[in-house]
Amino acid sequence: LAKTTQPISMDSYEGQEVNITCSHNNIATNDYITWYQQFPSQGPRFIIQGYKTKVTNEVASLFIPADRKSSTLSLPRVSLSDTAVYYCLVTSGHGSSNTGKLIFGQGTTLQVKP
Amino acid sequence: NAGVTQTPKFQVLKTGQSMTLQCAQDMNHEYMSWYRQDPGMGLRLIHYSVGAGITDQGEVPNGYNVSRSTTEDFPLRLLSAAPSQTSVYFCASGLRTGFEKLFFGSGTQLSVL
Repeated sequence: LAKTTQPISMDSYEGQEVNITCSHNNIATNDYITWYQQFPSQGPRFIIQGYKTKVTNEVASLFIPADRKSSTLSLPRVSLSDTAVYYCLVTSGHGSSNTGKLIFGQGTTLQVKP
Repeated sequence: NAGVTQTPKFQVLKTGQSMTLQCAQDMNHEYMSWYRQDPGMGLRLIHYSVGAGITDQGEVPNGYNVSRSTTEDFPLRLLSAAPSQTSVYFCASGLRTGFEKLFFGSGTQLSVL
């Protein structure tokens, strides 16, 4: 199961773009990269998932280089309400022995300041 | 549509007591799992299930039992509570193996004295 490493914390200001990078050197061919967001006293919420190159939705963009050993979650023009913990997961698709074993780790605490 | 429902929201136990944390989902999801969250520790996987009758251990399974007799329910049992099990517990569900997207409950805050 690929281990992920991401910064423990980051600070930003309102209106800035925030990029959170996650490294996953041992990612396997069947693995995807998935990001979740967690606000205090709530369960995590799915943000975005990708396999390679770039994925964009209404909340964020996910950039994955060709070697897939890292990924970057990009949050455009953050606001105070984006203050949360962000988790990077490597999730195994069908046929993997790790299917279903979804490891969250510590995540990155993003603090957005006014 | 209720999603993932956890009960109770708060619970205080004495050391050695037993209890069951309930988790139910109404989305017909095959995958369900339990996590615990301690300050500064992120989320740690306790047990998971990829379908009725199938369960497997996560990162921190000791002291917890699970069973999955129906698709909808995935209870977590503490047979003899210990202070080290004081934590916030989250239940999650998802399609198939859960790797596409997980839906989380609102959590159960458990204190063991």
